Amino acid sequence: TQLLEQSPQFLSIQEGENLTVYCNSSSVFSSLQWYRQEPGEGPVLLVTVVTGGEVKKLKRLTFQFGDARKDSSLHITAAQPGDTGLYLCAGVQAGTASKLTFGTGTRLQVTL
Amino acid sequence: DSGVTQTPKHLITATGQRVTLRCSPRSGDLSVYWYQQSLDQGLQFLIQYYNGEERAKGNILERFSAQQFPDLHSELNLSSLELGDSALYFCASSPGTSGIKAHEQFFGPGTRLTVL
Repeated sequence: TQLLEQSPQFLSIQEGENLTVYCNSSSVFSSLQWYRQEPGEGPVLLVTVVTGGEVKKLKRLTFQFGDARKDSSLHITAAQPGDTGLYLCAGVQAGTASKLTFGTGTRLQVTL
Repeated sequence: DSGVTQTPKHLITATGQRVTLRCSPRSGDLSVYWYQQSLDQGLQFLIQYYNGEERAKGNILERFSAQQFPDLHSELNLSSLELGDSALYFCASSPGTSGIKAHEQFFGPGTRLTVL
């Protein structure tokens, strides 16, 4: 059983559409991060959320940390082909040392 | 550019062989992590080192081993290679100190290993 489940696994949309990716767990996290990975490259950190209920915006991307710090979402407004990639959430479980656990990933494809 | 370097970029070898992957972390980062990513799969955590000491272990096979040297660079050794070991191997580094930034990981470009 994966500690962090992401949904959907795959998403194919057209340019200009909005989308939301979810990252869920039954565990509490002291912090949660989102990464984007393009084919053949390493993941790149997008954002870190720390406080329950926190919302962070990065241009057209909006990240939210659940009130109970067990889940997070990533919303993309007016998707562009450049948003194509694998989106990964990752969290540090509350009360643990330093191990970062990665989610199952959401593969997004944005077409013209 | 994340500041993390990995060599080599590509590696092609035969079953039964042994290879060494190398990683240099970002300047100032004390923690190094190794991940395996097979085709269209997520990241599988292998092992973490902090300032030369093993900190956490994931799904790392006994045929695989790693170490972090005094200058903080790290090597991942893969032996008795099998076809199924073909994958992208990523190294990441983080400050590893206390606080939220401690866990933010910066990934290298990866080493693509092909076992024939």
